Amino acid sequence: GQQLNQSPQSMFIQEGEDVSMNCTSSSIFNTWLWYKQEPGEGPVLLIALYKAGELTSNGRLTAQFGITRKDSFLNISASIPSDVGIYFCAGAPNQGGSEKLVFGKGTKLTVNP
Amino acid sequence: DVKVTQSSRYLVKRTGEKVFLECVQDMDHENMFWYRQDPGLGLRLIYFSYDVKMKEKGDIPEGYSVSREKKERFSLILESASTNQTSMYLCATGGGPNEKLFFGSGTQLSVL
Repeated sequence: GQQLNQSPQSMFIQEGEDVSMNCTSSSIFNTWLWYKQEPGEGPVLLIALYKAGELTSNGRLTAQFGITRKDSFLNISASIPSDVGIYFCAGAPNQGGSEKLVFGKGTKLTVNP
Repeated sequence: DVKVTQSSRYLVKRTGEKVFLECVQDMDHENMFWYRQDPGLGLRLIYFSYDVKMKEKGDIPEGYSVSREKKERFSLILESASTNQTSMYLCATGGGPNEKLFFGSGTQLSVL
């Protein structure tokens, strides 16, 4: 099936640093979602984006829906140890329901205190 | 807040056993989904359901079946568990087309 290219695969950063990650696709999406998954838990929705160019914040997290509709970015500012986890992007293509959501393989974030 | 509850956090079963994974949601959502998550492979859709008694195959339905007798409950069934079904199983629910999905905490299944 379709795949999203999510990068980087992993990041090791110091507390206080800013973080950027992104997802790209060869297809156009009309919804982008960003999730965080902590060890042993299910993914938790962080931010949902529905319009090209949209920039949405959730606390220290900011995500953008790319103008081309083929990419999305997630930034975390001033990272803290509890930001540790795997961050997933998910995109919904132009046609179809929630079953058409395509997931990236995740960015594993490690924050050193 | 949406609550998606999976009946077990950890399960250990033997090869050949019949396994039931239960999922209950409290938001009256139409759509429910079962995914499995494996390192390096990401999330893969097994089955989904748009309504009571309706089910649709996802990307990897082989070896699984599902049941949706009530709107709030969606069960995943492994008729005869095999070791390659050892995985993290995630239930999710959503309200409509392109709607965001809400996930349960997952069931880590080990088949020995």
